[in-house]
Amino acid sequence: DQQVKQNSPSLSVQEGRISILNCDYTNSMFDYFLWYKKYPAEGPTFLISISSIKDKNEDGRFTVFLNKSAKHLSLHIVPSQPGDSAVYFCAASANQGGSEKLVFGKGTKLTVNP
Amino acid sequence: DSGVTQTPKHLITATGQRVTLRCSPRSGDLSVYWYQQSLDQGLQFLIQYYNGEERAKGNILERFSAQQFPDLHSELNLSSLELGDSALYFCASSSGLAGYNEQFFGPGTRLTVL
Repeated sequence: DQQVKQNSPSLSVQEGRISILNCDYTNSMFDYFLWYKKYPAEGPTFLISISSIKDKNEDGRFTVFLNKSAKHLSLHIVPSQPGDSAVYFCAASANQGGSEKLVFGKGTKLTVNP
Repeated sequence: DSGVTQTPKHLITATGQRVTLRCSPRSGDLSVYWYQQSLDQGLQFLIQYYNGEERAKGNILERFSAQQFPDLHSELNLSSLELGDSALYFCASSSGLAGYNEQFFGPGTRLTVL
């Protein structure tokens, strides 16, 4: 049972345009959502997060939107740059018995074309 | 460089064998997490240790075990290896206990079981 779904395996955008990466979840107990970015041959790196009590969090060119009623979050990158080309993982956490573990989606490969 | 080191980088072994993957967390981080990334799969959480104690468990097989030592480095032991165990294994560390704390990932160990 996949609790965190990234239904688009890949996305291609032009440099300077907006990139929108989507993520859906099924577990209403998730209370924190995170995005990680991964370049080839490297481990994932943290990008941005949002608590379930918020609907938006912004950090420079990156904004994450959370729609709890739809169990949907999205990552907006504006403007997109070639260096943003990477695999983006959506992750969610829920407190379970005093510990929180991350559940990751399968990732979306973003390609930003010059 | 995340500050998390993993050895070895690559490991090729045969079915039925046993291997040990090693992880050194960032200086000062008490939590260590292990993840498995199989082909076309997202990151699957395996297990978390905090300051030497097991704190959370994911879908870790009984053939797999882990421990965290007093110097905070961690080892993941995989035994009776099967072809399906071929994957990238990531270690991550964080300062806190909660999974939503920013996790810093190592570069991973690529395990190939022939």
